[in-house]
Amino acid sequence: QKEVEQNSGPLSVPEGAIASLNCTYSDRGSQSFFWYRQYSGKSPELIMSIYSNGDKEDGRFTAQLNKASQYVSLLIRDSQPSDSATYLCAVRNSGYSTLTFGKGTMLLVSP
Amino acid sequence: NAGVTQTPKFQVLKTGQSMTLQCAQDMNHNSMYWYRQDPGMGLRLIYYSASEGTTDKGEVPNGYNVSRLNKREFSLRLESAAPSQTSVYFCASSASSGGRDEQYFGPGTRLTVT
Repeated sequence: QKEVEQNSGPLSVPEGAIASLNCTYSDRGSQSFFWYRQYSGKSPELIMSIYSNGDKEDGRFTAQLNKASQYVSLLIRDSQPSDSATYLCAVRNSGYSTLTFGKGTMLLVSP
Repeated sequence: NAGVTQTPKFQVLKTGQSMTLQCAQDMNHNSMYWYRQDPGMGLRLIYYSASEGTTDKGEVPNGYNVSRLNKREFSLRLESAAPSQTSVYFCASSASSGGRDEQYFGPGTRLTVT
């Protein structure tokens, strides 16, 4: 069974700080990695995808991938109270068009 | 452009009743997926359709059936609902071509089985 592990949190940061969310995965053959944001009572919303080792930046979000260490992270700069949500890490299963999701990390940004 | 739509938004069933959850996408995506989300369990794949005309089991298929009606529509059927099927159900779709694996989710159906 392929696994994606995340700390459940909550991760609490003050407004304006950098939030760092981490994810490890077991499938060595995985090539595609995703971060979703899910507000309470809502559906998951894709915020970042990353396919190559290194960093990928989009606005206040930076995704980091290290395939050798089987590790993906998401940095949120200048965190805002509106960033308070659960962040789901997802990894494409090698050989399939399916994703395995982590259970998510709850982020709380206090004003 | 509506993206992924699901009906109904809420449903209450009695044990043993049947129902079909509907999902449609207007993004010309090849692949479609059904997930359930339960507290503490995360998102779990029930069934998926990698392309029109194909369906495959996911992690938790027991008690469910699916139909890929055409490229746009993918339905999930509960033949005899059980309380253990109380959950939030999400449909998602993906282009699954040209290296584009991103999945986009519908708004969900909140199902309670009593």
